[in-house]
Amino acid sequence: GESVGLHLPTLSVQEGDNSIINCAYSNSASDYFIWYKQESGKGPQFIIDIRSNMDKRQGQRVTVLLNKTVKHLSLQIAATQPGDSAVYFCAETAYGNNRLAFGKGNQVVVIP
Amino acid sequence: KAGVTQTPRYLIKTRGQQVTLSCSPISGHRSVSWYQQTPGQGLQFLFEYFSETQRNKGNFPGRFSGRQFSNSRSEMNVSTLELGDSALYLCASSLDTGQETQYFGPGTRLLVL
Repeated sequence: GESVGLHLPTLSVQEGDNSIINCAYSNSASDYFIWYKQESGKGPQFIIDIRSNMDKRQGQRVTVLLNKTVKHLSLQIAATQPGDSAVYFCAETAYGNNRLAFGKGNQVVVIP
Repeated sequence: KAGVTQTPRYLIKTRGQQVTLSCSPISGHRSVSWYQQTPGQGLQFLFEYFSETQRNKGNFPGRFSGRQFSNSRSEMNVSTLELGDSALYLCASSLDTGQETQYFGPGTRLLVL
């Protein structure tokens, strides 16, 4: 991913295991949160989103959890596959506002 | 449906020059946002255009500008390039019907020498 480099937290996970990626967001006024995946040489790809009136949302093999009390967001990937190797970003904004604030990113490396 | 497209994909310029990058949003999307991505600063919001008007602006100097055309295509311009402008420039589009899911293009990699 394009943010690979300086001090990017890295999660190494065995193929088939579950992955959990965490994100602390900064703005208590944010009410819309998105997870993106970025593979090397590509733009960020939408994975899943959640609004602040929910604390959990599930997609295909992914679950996002939101804890507004501690301003924490997590992405769970079930049965991690080699194709899940990428940099994952959380992003926050206020509903109706298209200005996304991104976290620094987490590198996930899947070990076959 | 075709995704967001950006041209050119790669660009090399020298300091002091100016550059124009182009973005074609997903068909039917009316909002276009631009982001700069660098290893040091990560992804940072530049500006957003909707209905040919700049609706939101990030904390970048006036050398960074943009515009949107009636077909929602957008361009961004950087004048008087500096070495620090070397980055991946990403464009994202969204429907803007109350949904804020933004879909990104592949980016334009700009290298300033």
